Amino acid sequence: ETGVTQSPTHLIKTRGQQVTLRCSSQSGHNTVSWYQQALGQGPQFIFQYYREEENGRGNFPPRFSGLQFPNYSSELNVNALELDDSALYLCAGTSGLQETQYFGPGTRLLVL
Amino acid sequence: AQSVTQPDIHITVSEGASLELRCNYSYGATPYLFWYVQSPGQGLQLLLKYFSGDTLVQGIKGFEAEFKRSQSSFNLRKPSVHWSDAAEYFCAVGINTGNQFYFGTGTSLTVIP
Repeated sequence: ETGVTQSPTHLIKTRGQQVTLRCSSQSGHNTVSWYQQALGQGPQFIFQYYREEENGRGNFPPRFSGLQFPNYSSELNVNALELDDSALYLCAGTSGLQETQYFGPGTRLLVL
Repeated sequence: AQSVTQPDIHITVSEGASLELRCNYSYGATPYLFWYVQSPGQGLQLLLKYFSGDTLVQGIKGFEAEFKRSQSSFNLRKPSVHWSDAAEYFCAVGINTGNQFYFGTGTSLTVIP
């Protein structure tokens, strides 16, 4: 049990639509990171939020955006969905900038 | 730029045999290194981590890893594999604050009886 939950577990969207994925982390996890894991690949870092501010970003376009809330929940928003956005999206919480990350089970997104 | 290489896409071992999964990294500063395991339909579970200090790190489920700076490697080992170890294994390097991860492409482990 990692203390990190994600919703929904599965989602189907069509190309061009927008999607919001949610992550809830246990109390004390003031840092949250989001990753995209395409089928057969390792997770790729999208961005990280620390105390509700973006604290680093990987090689993803601006249509990937996020929010972190004071109650340790966060959102990943993806606009103008493309077929290649189909993947497992993972969020990870941690209690400090150099502490261990704990991953949620992920949301599997399929874009048709 | 940072990167992580796991040269072995797939490994098959017999139950009870020893295991070594290879990981090489490229990063200009002192790395934070991790091994995670992912079972089908599951999230990532931390096996072990290296931040500093003793270069031989012990983890959960009988796994260990050794950091070798001269070889830029962080190989994962287990002396005797169990059937329940069959899964996907990911090596990661943490940059900046240590927890912005760059993952390798993973090694899939099959255990045969």
